[in-house]
Amino acid sequence: DQQVKQNSPSLSVQEGRISILNCDYTNSMFDYFLWYKKYPAEGPTFLISISSIKDKNEDGRFTVFLNKSAKHLSLHIVPSQPGDSAVYFCAASDSGGSNYKLTFGKGTLLTVNP
Amino acid sequence: DSGVTQTPKHLITATGQRVTLRCSPRSGDLSVYWYQQSLDQGLQFLIQYYNGEERAKGNILERFSAQQFPDLHSELNLSSLELGDSALYFCASSVGGRDMFFGPGTRLTVL
Repeated sequence: DQQVKQNSPSLSVQEGRISILNCDYTNSMFDYFLWYKKYPAEGPTFLISISSIKDKNEDGRFTVFLNKSAKHLSLHIVPSQPGDSAVYFCAASDSGGSNYKLTFGKGTLLTVNP
Repeated sequence: DSGVTQTPKHLITATGQRVTLRCSPRSGDLSVYWYQQSLDQGLQFLIQYYNGEERAKGNILERFSAQQFPDLHSELNLSSLELGDSALYFCASSVGGRDMFFGPGTRLTVL
C-alpha cells in the first residue's frame, strides 16, 4: 500500500517556465512533508519542507503548497533552470515519538529543456 | 555536500557473503537513519538509531543489522547476501528535528 504517491513519473518543462510537481498521500497521521532532489549516483538533497500547520512555504525559487483536506502537496519551481533536471521525491513523516522516519514517493523525473 | 559521509562508495561481493556499510552523520546530529533504494521499490526505510539506541525499525530483513557507536557513527551489517540485496543504501541524519540530510550512498552489487 503506497502511502505517498507521485503519479507523474516524468515532467518536461522549458527553461524559465514554472515546474509543478505533485504528490498525494493517504495517511492522515502525516504532519510533515519534505521534497528532495536526486541526481543519479548521488544521495537525495533536501530542498524544502512544510509542516501541516502551514499551507505554504517558500525558499527562493522553490515553493511548497499543502492542501490538507485533499491530502495533496505540490512543489513549484520558478523559474525552472536546466540544472533543476533531476528526480524529485516527495516524503512524509508523522510525529510518532522521536522517530521521524520518512515515507517516500517513487519520484518524478523533471527535465528542464534549454 | 550534506555533511553525511558514507563508505565505501561501491561494494561488489558474492552471494552468501557479509558486508559492513559505514556512515558518519553530520556534526551534532544524534539520529541516524538507513534507507534502501532498489530499482522497483524506491526509497525504503530500514532502521533508525538515536544517540546509540535503536529507535525504530522499518522493512529491515533479519539478515541485516545495524548499530550506532558512542561517536555517533553507524554501521549497517548485511549478511547471507542474496542477489536481491543489490541496491543503493543511504544513510541520513538529523539533529532530532524533522529535516533529514542524506549521504551519497553505497552501491552494493551482489553477484
